[in-house]
Amino acid sequence: QVHLVESGGGLVKPGGSLRLSCAASGFAFRDYYMTWIRQAPGKGLEWVSYIGGNGVTRFHADSVEGRFSISRDNGKNSLYLQMDNLRPEDTAIYYCVRDQARLGVAGLAHWGQGTRVTVSS
Amino acid sequence: EIVLTQSPATLSLSPGDRATLSCRASQSVLSNFLAWYQQKPGQTPRLLIYGASTRVAGIPDRFSGSGSGTDFTLTIGRVEPEDFAVYYCHQYGSASPWAFGQGTKVEIK
Repeated sequence: QVHLVESGGGLVKPGGSLRLSCAASGFAFRDYYMTWIRQAPGKGLEWVSYIGGNGVTRFHADSVEGRFSISRDNGKNSLYLQMDNLRPEDTAIYYCVRDQARLGVAGLAHWGQGTRVTVSS
Repeated sequence: EIVLTQSPATLSLSPGDRATLSCRASQSVLSNFLAWYQQKPGQTPRLLIYGASTRVAGIPDRFSGSGSGTDFTLTIGRVEPEDFAVYYCHQYGSASPWAFGQGTKVEIK
């Protein structure tokens, strides 16, 4: 059974940094694209970043480009999001999500429960 | 980046009504890599449709997706009480940025 557990969220001041982690289990982690999605309070879904199984293919949304960096450690079955120069508008629940397709992309089928990030002075 | 615009923002319906939700892309979606999700309050989103029209296993057949290029539609044939939720479209791919629409809320009339 697919299991995704995020950690690392919290309260941080504007300009600060956080590193989110996602521990994955129940599947061949290295075979799947992994994604970070966020949802601000009372708002819609926003794609943040995704990374291919081998870690070479990576994309970030324009809103976080140059501030956030996605990475993965296939040996530890873990996904990360390094978030620097945080802004109040980055306040959201951050979800670790796995694609439904092995070795490709076909929609986001498995979601963690999320970790809350609050950026405020 | 592609921008996805969903309409209407809110759809007020009675159980048994047909629901038609629209998702328009600012440029053509390659390979029809377009998915639809349902999100209920306090829950994570659930994948309904991928590839614009392929229903995920276990999703009731009253949910159907259609469209290509820049115009996509999610149809709920006859809305059931458990279908009242927010629906999002999502453009994806393996070598390009992704995008979500802003959502359509299907509410009880």
